[in-house]
Amino acid sequence: NAGVTQTPKFRVLKTGQSMTLLCAQDMNHEYMYWYRQDPGMGLRLIHYSVGEGTTAKGEVPDGYNVSRLKKQNFLLGLESAAPSQTSVYFCASYRGFYTEAFFGQGTRLTVV
Amino acid sequence: SQQGEEDPQALSIQEGENATMNCSYKTSINNLQWYRQNSGRGLVHLILIRSNEREKHSGRLRVTLDTSKKSSSLLITASRAADTASYFCATDRGSSNTGKLIFGQGTTLQVKP
Repeated sequence: NAGVTQTPKFRVLKTGQSMTLLCAQDMNHEYMYWYRQDPGMGLRLIHYSVGEGTTAKGEVPDGYNVSRLKKQNFLLGLESAAPSQTSVYFCASYRGFYTEAFFGQGTRLTVV
Repeated sequence: SQQGEEDPQALSIQEGENATMNCSYKTSINNLQWYRQNSGRGLVHLILIRSNEREKHSGRLRVTLDTSKKSSSLLITASRAADTASYFCATDRGSSNTGKLIFGQGTTLQVKP
């Protein structure tokens, strides 16, 4: 049982490049989330999904897009990377109320 | 702004002492959760308390919830060096039921041997 797996673990991008971060969960969870973590800022919610085919904006959605075509996968896209998007990105999945969320190990992204 | 706000931002104690962290939130909730993050790792769930519960225990962890004050506290008793980590509270949005899971900024705990 792998839980939540994020791909890749590290990436360096040049300003203006695009990339997609993949999050895969094998727990059949309905809810999935993308967060970014910056020093002193805690975890900030970028986008989330409450089920296959649905997505919604979080607190800091600008510059990111997401898709949830399959229940087990939640993709985070950066169309034109900016240095301000340098961060550690975490994916999480959640069965719902009164249960715990499970996190991936994070993706460390540097935009130069 | 963040739904959950932890206090203090940083805490340094000696091994064997107790550590108390607080979390305040703004909207109604279904439950409040506490997570731990070791440096460079993902978050790990510690304990969940429902909105109709006032106190919960798990090993050396004690969590309280005061919905009238919209606040929660996490107490770690008899701390160990291995407890050194960042601790976060997380809340959902009870009444609006949006599915959002919002984390606070965290408390960084250092336990000195």
